[in-house]
Amino acid sequence: SQQGEEDPQALSIQEGENATMNCSYKTSINNLQWYRQNSGRGLVHLILIRSNEREKHSGRLRVTLDTSKKSSSLLITASRAADTASYFCATMGGGADGLTFGKGTHLIIQP
Amino acid sequence: DAGITQSPRHKVTETGTPVTLRCHQTENHRYMYWYRQDPGHGLRLIHYSYGVKDTDKGEVSDGYSVSRSKTEDFLLTLESATSSQTSVYFCAISPQGINTEAFFGQGTRLTVV
Repeated sequence: SQQGEEDPQALSIQEGENATMNCSYKTSINNLQWYRQNSGRGLVHLILIRSNEREKHSGRLRVTLDTSKKSSSLLITASRAADTASYFCATMGGGADGLTFGKGTHLIIQP
Repeated sequence: DAGITQSPRHKVTETGTPVTLRCHQTENHRYMYWYRQDPGHGLRLIHYSYGVKDTDKGEVSDGYSVSRSKTEDFLLTLESATSSQTSVYFCAISPQGINTEAFFGQGTRLTVV
C-alpha cells in the first residue's frame, strides 16, 4: 500500500513563483526523502530529512517535516522552467526494505 | 546515474514468455532494489537485496523472482509474463547503506502483449 500521498496531484505556476508540495504518510519513519523525475527518466534524489529534524534546506529547496502530523512539505523558491517535473516523497521505515513512495505531484512551470 | 545500468531499456514480449531484466552497478554497493512504476501508483517495491544471495520480497513480488550471484548484478525475472506486468521497471542502489538516499537507473519499459 502507498505510504505517502502528495498534494496537489498537479500544480502549474509561472516562472519565478514559489511552488509548494505536500506529503502525508501513515506510519512511523526513520526519514523522508524527496525525489524529482523528469519525463521518461529515472528518479533523482533531492533531499533527505530525518525524523528528528524539522527543517532542511538545499539551494532553492526547503523541506519541512512534522512527525506529529505525519506530513512534510517541499518548497521550491524562484521556480525555473527546468523545474518542470514530477516530484515524489518517499519514506523509509528503518529497515533494509527500501523506500515507500507516494504517487507524486506533477509540477509545470510556465515561462 | 551513479554507475547503474539497466538492460534492456525497452522490451516487448508476449504473454506467457519468461523475461529477465538486468541491473548492473559499477561499484560494490550492498543494497539494491527493483521497483515498478505505473500511472496512478507511483513506485512500488518488488524485491530487494542486501548482499550476494541475500534477497527479500517487497510489496508487489507476486509473479517475480530475483537473483544476485555477484555483487554488481541484480536480476529480475518474470517467470511467465502477464499483461498486468506491463510497466516501467527501475533498479536502485543505496551506496551509503540502509536509511540513506537511493540512486536510480534509467528504467526499462516492458510491454507484455
